Amino acid sequence: RKEVEQDPGPFNVPEGATVAFNCTYSNSASQSFFWYRQDCRKEPKLLMSVYSSGNEDGRFTAQLNRASQYISLLIRDSKLSDSATYLCVWGIYGNNRLAFGKGNQVVVIP
Amino acid sequence: DTGVSQDPRHKITKRGQNVTFRCDPISEHNRLYWYRQTLGQGPEFLTYFQNEAQLEKSRLLSDRFSAERPKGSFSTLEIQRTEQGDSAMYLCASSLLGTRRAVNEQFFGPGTRLTVL
Repeated sequence: RKEVEQDPGPFNVPEGATVAFNCTYSNSASQSFFWYRQDCRKEPKLLMSVYSSGNEDGRFTAQLNRASQYISLLIRDSKLSDSATYLCVWGIYGNNRLAFGKGNQVVVIP
Repeated sequence: DTGVSQDPRHKITKRGQNVTFRCDPISEHNRLYWYRQTLGQGPEFLTYFQNEAQLEKSRLLSDRFSAERPKGSFSTLEIQRTEQGDSAMYLCASSLLGTRRAVNEQFFGPGTRLTVL
């Protein structure tokens, strides 16, 4: 089983709508969780860290459910500029090695 | 520009040739990582360095691959006898040393896109 499972989509989202997606992870080692954003043919960039208590950054909300081993990302009031691939990522304490999901491709439609 | 840089940005080579890529991390970062990304997939970890020491290698890193970070600054990734299956984006990332209770952000370079004909 892959370390991180993610439904690649694509998710076609009308502008202004809300979109949410999850990813599941399998490794139970001590770890941190992140969402990275990757634009077409560009490098991944950190969008936000994911905390157990849930965290919000503007229109983006991230949640972590350790019992069910999944993390989620919700984007409210989608903008055209939100079109990108959102990568679910976890990292192990100590060596910082990151494990990535396939990514959720989001296409915001005018 | 003080971000992570990689050179070249694109490389086209014939099967069987050797190629070498370079990564210059953010100057104060002591951790340097190499990842490989193929179309439709997320990046996959290859190897990482803490200063000049190579501390971990993935099983993806066959014996045709070798990475170095001789002075603890820039790093090179060499692929010998390239195969068509090596075609991918090779990403370098750097970070500060993590702790036992936190994973520090990794900053990625723009990548080197390798095409093996």
